[in-house]
Amino acid sequence: SQTIHQWPATLVQPVGSPLSLECTVEGTSNPNLYWYRQAAGRGLQLLFYSVGIGQISSEVPQNLSASRPQDRQFILSSKKLLLSDSGFYLCAWSNPRAGTQETQYFGPGTRLLVL
Amino acid sequence: AQSVAQPEDQVNVAEGNPLTVKCTYSVSGNPYLFWYVQYPNRGLQFLLKYITGDNLVKGSYGFEAEFNKSQTSFHLKKPSALVSDSALYFCAVRANYGGATNKLIFGTGTLLAVQP
Repeated sequence: SQTIHQWPATLVQPVGSPLSLECTVEGTSNPNLYWYRQAAGRGLQLLFYSVGIGQISSEVPQNLSASRPQDRQFILSSKKLLLSDSGFYLCAWSNPRAGTQETQYFGPGTRLLVL
Repeated sequence: AQSVAQPEDQVNVAEGNPLTVKCTYSVSGNPYLFWYVQYPNRGLQFLLKYITGDNLVKGSYGFEAEFNKSQTSFHLKKPSALVSDSALYFCAVRANYGGATNKLIFGTGTLLAVQP
C-alpha cells in the first residue's frame, strides 16, 4: 500500500531564516505531488504541483519554492521566512494513471510557526 | 469560474441523529466531486468521491453523499452521528485547467460538532 510522510511534524523558525520541508511517498511510482498551505485552520491553498522529476508548477507568487529531486520526494523551501509563512503545510500525492478516478491523498502535515 | 461553496461554517448535531453537511459547486463540464475529513492537527483523509454512475455514493466511516446535478449539490450525509465524527469537513471539485486536469478546488470547510 502507499504511504506519504512529511517531516518535521512541527517547526518553529525565526523570521529571515531558511526553510526546508520534506515529503516522501512510498509504494507507488511517478506520482503527481502537491504542496498546500492551510492558514487559520481552514482554507486550503495549492502552492505547487509536480508531474515529474524537476517539473514544478507554481500556483501563486510567494516567498516559497519547491523542488522534486527524486521521483517520490517533494521539498518545499524558502531562503528567508516571513511571518506570513506561518501555517499548516500539507503534501499530497495522486496516481495520474487512474484517469478520472484520480484521487489526492494527503500526508500528516507540518505545522510551521515563524516568530 | 469553477468554485465550491460550503454555506455553513459549523453544523451542530446530537449523537444518534442524522447529519448533513452541505456543498454546492460550479464547474464547466462534468464535475468530479470529493469529500475529505480533517481531525485536529492532522492531514486530510479521503472519505468518498463522485465521478460518474449512481448519484448516491457510499464512503468511509458510514458516510455517504448525494450528487444532485439539477441543484449542483453534493451534500455529505450520515444516518446516525457519532461524537467521534466531530471534525472539519471539506468538499472539493476537480478543476479543469488546460492540460492540467488534476487540481482540486476546496471549499472553506464545515466544522461538524456532535454533542453526546
